[in-house]
Formats: sequence, structure tokens, C-alpha cells
Amino acid sequence: DAKTTQPNSMESNEEEPVHLPCNHSTISGTDYIHWYRQLPSQGPEYVIHGLTSNVNNRMASLAIAEDRKSSTLILHRATLRDAAVYYCILSHLEDSNYQLIWGAGTKLIIKP
Amino acid sequence: DAEITQSPRHKITETGRQVTLACHQTWNHNNMFWYRQDLGHGLRLIHYSYGVQDTNKGEVSDGYSVSRSNTEDLPLTLESAASSQTSVYFCASSDRGRGRANEQFFGPGTRLTVL
Repeated sequence: DAKTTQPNSMESNEEEPVHLPCNHSTISGTDYIHWYRQLPSQGPEYVIHGLTSNVNNRMASLAIAEDRKSSTLILHRATLRDAAVYYCILSHLEDSNYQLIWGAGTKLIIKP
Repeated sequence: DAEITQSPRHKITETGRQVTLACHQTWNHNNMFWYRQDLGHGLRLIHYSYGVQDTNKGEVSDGYSVSRSNTEDLPLTLESAASSQTSVYFCASSDRGRGRANEQFFGPGTRLTVL
């Protein structure tokens, strides 16, 4: 099964950029790469997604490697409210069943 | 504002009992999903639906069932609750299409404890 690998945790200072890495070496050609985040005691929240090209939205940027085996979520200027668990996810169709393959996530700690 | 709600928010039940968790969305989304999240882990897909009368099995469907009789609701039933099903359950919905790249909106979760 295609899956993702992320560091367990990362620390960053407030107001600085944050780069969250994700490896997905077994990704197939039609798998999308999604990022969600989960604040404590809440449901996950969509951040961004992409297929091949880099993507930008108001929350973050997603940089996808040319071979698509890795990607990086970029928070341009982290705030204390960005402290959460960030999940890198592949959407994968297997045996006619749609599966969203979640990694274990990276706990992002923001230091004031 | 459109939203997705889950009830109950907390549930304690006994082994062997049937339990139903409710999920209701007012987004008018075709796609709905049920996930479970065990402590310290990511989400795992239980069942999903792409429309009324459509249901599909996810990664961890054994012991669970769903039915979709209208657009707004996708109740999740544990036929005979087991201690291994103690978890936090999240419902999500997304807009039409096969859902592979569509943003999913999540409910607040239901914390289920099976004693």
C-alpha cells in the first residue's frame, strides 16, 4: 500500500517559516497528495492538496518533488495558532475501494 | 452556515451491545466518510458513501455498517461492540465527484468507550 512517512515532531519559532517534510516513495501516478491538520480535541482541517505542480493557497504552500516521491508543506509565517498535528495523506484507489492513506502525522510545536 | 455534526459526542457502552453513531451534514455534499482515530495515531477509513443508497467498505470495515437513505445523514452502526472499537470516530463530507481530490469537512468527533 502506498503510504507516507513524516517526522514525529518539529519545533519552530513564532513568525518564522516552517517546512514540514513528507516521504511517499511508493506513490502511484494518479495519487493526490493532501495535507490536513488537527488541533487538539478537534476534527482534522483541510490545508492544501496537489498532484504534480506546486500549489499555493492562503494557508500554506505545497512543494512537490519532480519524481513525486516527497513533498513539503510550507507555512510562511507560523503563529501559535498553527500548533497542531499535520498529516500528509495520499488518496489511493485500490481494488475498487477508495482509500485515504493517512500517515502518523507531525506534531508541530510553535515557540513564542 | 453549513456544518457537519456528530452525536453523541461521548458514549460509553458495554461489550456486545449495538451502538449507532449519528452524522448529519448541511453542506448538501454527495460524499460522506467515517474514520476512526486511535490514541496517538492517524485516521483510518471505515466506510464511505458517494450518494444515496451507495456504501463502500474502507480499510477497517469489519464490525461496522452504514446506510445512506438521504443526502444529509450517514449513521455508523457497531453491530456488537468490542473493546477494540474504543476510539474517537470522525465523520466527514465532501462535494460531488469521486472524492479523491476534494476537500473533506470533518465533524467534531465522537469518543466511544467500550467496557
